[in-house]
Amino acid sequence: ILNVEQSPQSLHVQEGDSTNFTCSFPSSNFYALHWYRWETAKSPEALFVMTLNGDEKKKGRISATLNTKEGYSYLYIKGSQPEDSATYLCAFSAGNMLTFGGGTRLMVKP
Amino acid sequence: NAGVMQNPRHLVRRRGQEARLRCSPMKGHSHVYWYRQLPEEGLKFMVYLQKENIIDESGMPKERFSAEFPKEGPSILRIQQVVRGDSAAYFCASSPDRVNTGELFFGEGSRLTVL
Repeated sequence: ILNVEQSPQSLHVQEGDSTNFTCSFPSSNFYALHWYRWETAKSPEALFVMTLNGDEKKKGRISATLNTKEGYSYLYIKGSQPEDSATYLCAFSAGNMLTFGGGTRLMVKP
Repeated sequence: NAGVMQNPRHLVRRRGQEARLRCSPMKGHSHVYWYRQLPEEGLKFMVYLQKENIIDESGMPKERFSAEFPKEGPSILRIQQVVRGDSAAYFCASSPDRVNTGELFFGEGSRLTVL
């Protein structure tokens, strides 16, 4: 059984705050680490797919880093906006499929 | 290019009945994954299929559950003799290649309620 842990479970921030979440995963048999954004009543949408140790990816105000040797990834959101409110999922691949963490639920107050 | 289509979106069954959930992957995608979200829990992997083949079914319950992805038509997740514990949201995702190289594209899910 692969353990993918995300922290915190939930987070409330004010509009304009910057925030970050953590995903920890097994450091062996690593193939890829995915981040998804899941809005209520919608389907998860991919943010990043990361495969190399030291990878840093950015999309607008959202960025992510990857450390495969120690088994963690950080997701950063700069200047949070109310529309960033969603659950952020990370998922680890050791081969055939993705094992998802429990997610971090972000709520941004205007 | 239509996204991943799942139907029905909502399904109500009585205990002992059968549930069939369908998933049409995105055009050009030959890899299909089924995930289950039980109430208050995260996404749990069930099965990974390519056209006509089950590649990994390590997350499928041993009894009553089966999945297929025929050469023509959608992927089907079939649950026989449903029980209340099967009540969950079932999500299908597709990709053009294995998950090690590209993202998954998710459908909006099928919500099964067992009375």
